[in-house]
Amino acid sequence: DAKTTQPPSMDCAEGRAANLPCNHSTISGNEYVYWYRQIHSQGPQYIIHGLKNNETNEMASLIITEDRKSSTLILPHATLRDTAVYYCIVRVAPNNAGNMLTFGGGTRLMVKP
Amino acid sequence: EPEVTQTPSHQVTQMGQEVILRCVPISNHLYFYWYRQILGQKVEFLVSFYNNEISEKSEIFDDQFSVERPDGSNFTLKIRSTKLEDSAMYFCASAGSRVSLSNQPQHFGDGTRLSIL
Repeated sequence: DAKTTQPPSMDCAEGRAANLPCNHSTISGNEYVYWYRQIHSQGPQYIIHGLKNNETNEMASLIITEDRKSSTLILPHATLRDTAVYYCIVRVAPNNAGNMLTFGGGTRLMVKP
Repeated sequence: EPEVTQTPSHQVTQMGQEVILRCVPISNHLYFYWYRQILGQKVEFLVSFYNNEISEKSEIFDDQFSVERPDGSNFTLKIRSTKLEDSAMYFCASAGSRVSLSNQPQHFGDGTRLSIL
């Protein structure tokens, strides 16, 4: 699976958009970008994933560059409860969901009042 | 929304004792996983399980570890003879519904904190 690079920490003001970047310059054509987050002492929580098109769900938006070498997770209106470590993970997702997830250090997002 | 549940939330065990961590995956899921996170470190993959057999395992998952799906709902991780370094949060995850298996994300439980004394 391709390696990802994320800033170790970021701050965001409550109510503002949080834009979390991720570099995955060695991504290959059949690898998807997944985002998870881990709120203190809880299990990782799935947020969103995509292959090459931008994606949006009720939690966030995922913007993937045209060359797919980087992506940005956007939390449109961050709240204090969004304070967490955010993980960008790239992995192959073929016809089964059996592949493991490889977690890096992630980005520690601190949402401040 | 369906969720993965894990019991107990905290397990304290003497070194050398056997421990069984329990998980109830999301009911229509077909793939099951165990991960662990030592305090202050990254989440690490241990093992994946599909169709009643292990599909992948990491170097951490040695002969002291085993997994089982004893019935249609539970998925367990057993550590045969615990060591101090087994102290960690253990997370269970599941993925893959019968409707479609492609791109299914893994959904995690809130973990069992295992403390080895």
